[in-house]
Amino acid sequence: QSVLTQPPSASGTPGQRVTISCSGSSSNIRSNHVFWYQQLPGTAPKLLIYRNNERPSGVPGRFSGSKSVTSASLAISGLRSEDEADYYCAAWDDSLSGWVFGGGTKLTVL
Amino acid sequence: QVQLVQSGAEVKKPGASVKVSCKAFGYDFTNYDVNWVRQATGQGLEWMGWTNPKNGDTGYAQKFKGRVTFSRNTSISTAYMELSSLKYEDTAVYYCAREGSGWDGADLWGQGTLVTVSS
Repeated sequence: QSVLTQPPSASGTPGQRVTISCSGSSSNIRSNHVFWYQQLPGTAPKLLIYRNNERPSGVPGRFSGSKSVTSASLAISGLRSEDEADYYCAAWDDSLSGWVFGGGTKLTVL
Repeated sequence: QVQLVQSGAEVKKPGASVKVSCKAFGYDFTNYDVNWVRQATGQGLEWMGWTNPKNGDTGYAQKFKGRVTFSRNTSISTAYMELSSLKYEDTAVYYCAREGSGWDGADLWGQGTLVTVSS
């Protein structure tokens, strides 16, 4: 049981916009930044969004993040086949004094 | 090239210990924390803890306290994770990841090390 809650799956067709939610609590998302990681099949995770809505260099502008109180969202616009991957949200938890992850959302591009 | 290179796959018996290394290339090893994250097959990411290579400070997830030890050798830019009293459920891919000091996230990950616990 993950501390942060994500839907196990999401899907969309090429060109569509999809969003993935991440629900937490006052000790993690409300108090701290949210991060998003993309994990392509068979590879290590890759940082996609940091500090709620910042993109590292090289991450396309199609990816965006937002946060509101105890929830966060990752939006992917102009969906492409190469976006098919697992997506994880993460945040520091003040009560646990550690990083917590969501259970991951498997995105399928139909 | 900026990268983290981890040691190879391991097979261990229950009750044994395993030590995974993570060598940094292309950046100042002491300027970034190293986090350790594991992932069982088909499962999500699980944070194990962090270490500060500059001063050796560490923080462990409650679940692993007493069973995991992080260390480092700054002369060879390498961090280590040792997990003891291995159980079958410790079978997973173990990742190291560097993290900047300004809430920059884990922006560089090792390739992962598969640890299999099997009798």
